[in-house]
Amino acid sequence: GEDVEQSLFLSVREGDSSVINCTYTDSSSTYLYWYKQEPGAGLQLLTYIFSNMDMKQDQRLTVLLNKKDKHLSLRIADTQTGDSAIYFCAYQGGKLIFGQGTELSVKP
Amino acid sequence: ETGVTQTPRHLVMGMTNKKSLKCEQHLGHNAMYWYKQSAKKPLELMFVYNFKEQTENNSVPSRFSPECPNSSHLFLHLHTLQPEDSALYLCASSQEARGGSYEQYFGPGTRLTVT
Repeated sequence: GEDVEQSLFLSVREGDSSVINCTYTDSSSTYLYWYKQEPGAGLQLLTYIFSNMDMKQDQRLTVLLNKKDKHLSLRIADTQTGDSAIYFCAYQGGKLIFGQGTELSVKP
Repeated sequence: ETGVTQTPRHLVMGMTNKKSLKCEQHLGHNAMYWYKQSAKKPLELMFVYNFKEQTENNSVPSRFSPECPNSSHLFLHLHTLQPEDSALYLCASSQEARGGSYEQYFGPGTRLTVT
């Protein structure tokens, strides 16, 4: 079946690295996505990775994909208070399947 | 600003009212979506329109009625809602191409409260 699991909360100190993890069940997924949702706003696409890649870097963001373990992670380097938001992992399997979201709290 | 706008941003309605949510995308995309986001639950896909044709209806109650008059506009007509329908309703659009990624661009949402 279709399922995406994420831990619900993560708290880090400003300047530290944040790592948000996601596991999924559908091995046929082609693209995997990370979205960010700030309070009172819709989802904003942050980055995505094609399933034949194992890493993608975009400025402070690093996406790691372990296709064998069906594990996706998002690393945010030098986390800032403005990074506080809910982060959603999603995979493309005919339609987009979203996780529940991880609420990232960044403390000064 | 993602190129997807939604109105109204907030809506309070009684269970006997009829109202409509509106979504407009300025990105030239060919697919549009309605999602429901409730607290502590994953995003729920409600409807998908591709080239103005409804391609998905995820067992949504008939009190929610979508309309897609053209590829840029999407409506969600609401009538006789229940308090449990209170949620954030998100619209999204994407450009679907076979074999390609179809990252979705979301509007800011309409916060609906049913009293």
